[in-house]
Amino acid sequence: GAVVSQHPSWVICKSGTSVKIECRSLDFQATTMFWYRQFPKQSLMLMATSNEGSKATYEQGVEKDKFLINHASLTLSTLTVTSAHPEDSSFYICSAPQGALYNEQFFGPGTRLTVL
Amino acid sequence: AQSVTQPDIHITVSEGASLELRCNYSYGATPYLFWYVQSPGQGLQLLLKYFSGDTLVQGIKGFEAEFKRSQSSFNLRKPSVHWSDAAEYFCAISGGSNYKLTFGKGTLLTVNP
Repeated sequence: GAVVSQHPSWVICKSGTSVKIECRSLDFQATTMFWYRQFPKQSLMLMATSNEGSKATYEQGVEKDKFLINHASLTLSTLTVTSAHPEDSSFYICSAPQGALYNEQFFGPGTRLTVL
Repeated sequence: AQSVTQPDIHITVSEGASLELRCNYSYGATPYLFWYVQSPGQGLQLLLKYFSGDTLVQGIKGFEAEFKRSQSSFNLRKPSVHWSDAAEYFCAISGGSNYKLTFGKGTLLTVNP
């Protein structure tokens, strides 16, 4: 099956700094990737759709200027949490759709962000 | 708007017992249906999916699910649970051309020895 990786798997940063999270499709090309946020013991909430070569599409209530998304190539999307604050601490997961119907999504292992 | 309901937040079963996790959805047509499993601190692994055809679908790790259109349900089953099945289980749907997934809130499965 298709493999999606994320880096880093765990990051701790100070409040006010920016953190970049990478999402890579290792064995397939992904013109679209999705970024989710998951709070402890809760479900995944879609944050944005990352589109290769164009602007990301953000879900309602997600701050575009805080969560910068760049999809620079067919295998890489990045999420940058700018001026991070403790309330941004969460588990961030990316996914990429693949398959004949393009409706099966493959998920990365997630990135645990802790903002002190 | 589409939505997914997983009525059971937490289920505890004994190892070797049968399992059924419930999932109901709301959508204007028949969506694509998925079950994912998540171990603590990990990403999601696809257990099985339904797009069309036979309403009983087989997945990995001995899981199966049945799509019932009349009940808008897609319940996950396993005849004999193993201790390694303890995890969080998410039902999800997607539809249309945007490929977005809508997740239920998840069911935490605990397996007693």
